Amino acid sequence: EPEVTQTPSHQVTQMGQEVILRCVPISNHLYFYWYRQILGQKVEFLVSFYNNEISEKSEIFDDQFSVERPDGSNFTLKIRSTKLEDSAMYFCASSATGGAFFGQGTRLTVV
Amino acid sequence: EDQVTQSPEALRLQEGESSSLNCSYTVSGLRGLFWYRQDPGKGPEFLFTLYSAGEEKEKERLKATLTKKESFLHITAPKPEDSATYLCAVQAPRNTDKLIFGTGTRLQVFP
Repeated sequence: EPEVTQTPSHQVTQMGQEVILRCVPISNHLYFYWYRQILGQKVEFLVSFYNNEISEKSEIFDDQFSVERPDGSNFTLKIRSTKLEDSAMYFCASSATGGAFFGQGTRLTVV
Repeated sequence: EDQVTQSPEALRLQEGESSSLNCSYTVSGLRGLFWYRQDPGKGPEFLFTLYSAGEEKEKERLKATLTKKESFLHITAPKPEDSATYLCAVQAPRNTDKLIFGTGTRLQVFP
């Protein structure tokens, strides 16, 4: 069964460093998303991406964040100058129409 | 503001003891309501999409229903492996594909 793949599963980084989280969406999906979940809190929308551009972004998705689809299969989230409050699970998702399918997440720990 | 409220926050059931989880929403016109299962440290696993009041979907011991203000996830004769957090999310009809999640119901099923 097709699935969304995320790497790494866990990333530890020092405050102020840049991180890149990687995702391989389901191959025939056209819509891509990043969500995050701070421990014990709701899953929150960050950004959606369609047709090689951002279609929507939340207030959380400020200049510190960027997304890219560098080739036909990968979708990345870059976080510049990480802060302690960026520590969370980051989920990539993709959809054709209807429900979004999520990856297993990258646990980002900023120390 | 679009909101999703799930109840109860936590539910403990004996194996075989059927029950229902509730998801109430306030959305200016619903485009879709989604149920996900989330295991600890994992990404949300897609279960159902419901689009209109009166619609029902079933999968094994789970049945999801939808009214104009809320959705129920009915669990019939649950087993310990049904233990997880169940998330509800809505999608509004404006030019957006983002999902708005509730905080989830943490279900524990004891043998």
